[in-house]
Amino acid sequence: DIQMTQSPSSLSASVGDRVTITCRASQGIRNDLGWFQQKPGKAPKRLIYTASSLQSGVPSRFSGSGSETEFTLTISSLQPEDFATYYCLQHNSFPQAFGQGTKLEIK
Amino acid sequence: EVQLVESGGGLVKPGGSLRLSCAASGFAFSKYSMNWVRQAPGKGLEWVSSITSSSTYINYADSVRGRFTISRDDAKNSLYLQMNSLRAEDTALYYCAGPLSGGPDYWGQGTLVTVSS
Repeated sequence: DIQMTQSPSSLSASVGDRVTITCRASQGIRNDLGWFQQKPGKAPKRLIYTASSLQSGVPSRFSGSGSETEFTLTISSLQPEDFATYYCLQHNSFPQAFGQGTKLEIK
Repeated sequence: EVQLVESGGGLVKPGGSLRLSCAASGFAFSKYSMNWVRQAPGKGLEWVSSITSSSTYINYADSVRGRFTISRDDAKNSLYLQMNSLRAEDTALYYCAGPLSGGPDYWGQGTLVTVSS
C-alpha cells in the first residue's frame, strides 16, 4: 500500500503570508494526487487535482506542484478564509490514501 | 443544485450492523464513480470504499474489507454502505463523495456512526 506523509502537521501563519504544505508518497504515483481543504464542521472541498490543476471556482492563490513522490500545495497570500485543515490524497492505486492533514492556524 | 444526502447512521453495539444510504440529485449520478470517506472524531480523513459507474470495479480499505459492502442503485440515484461486524474503531462521520480523482467535487454533509456498548 502507498503511504502518504504530510508535513507540517500544523502551521501558524499570518494573513498575507505565503505558505507551503508538502506530501510525500512512499512510492511513485505519477501526478495522481489531489489537495483538499476542510473547515470545522464542514465537508472537505477539493482545491487541486492531478497535482497541479486548479479545481473550478478555487481562487488562483492556491497552486499545486510535484510528481511521483513529492508534492506541494502553496497558498501565495493567505486570506482569513484559508485558515482550515488541508489534506492530500493519492488516487494512483487502491487503497487510496489521505495524508494526515495540516492544520493552518492564525498567528 | 447538486445534493448528496446521507442517512442511516446511529448508535450500534459492537458486532452490530448498519446500512448507510446516500441520495444523490442534481447531477448524472450513473456516470460517476462514488466513494465513502470517514472521519473519526477529531481525526483526519480516511478513504473507505469506491465503486465505479455500472459497479464495474469495487475497492475497500484494508480496515473494512470483508465487513463492509458498497453498492449503488442508479435507477434510484443512490449509494449504499452495508456495515457488518462493527467495531469501536468504526465510529466516525461517514461522508458520501463523488469522484475523488478529478471532475466534479461532490460531498454530502455526513452521517454519524457510533459503535459503543
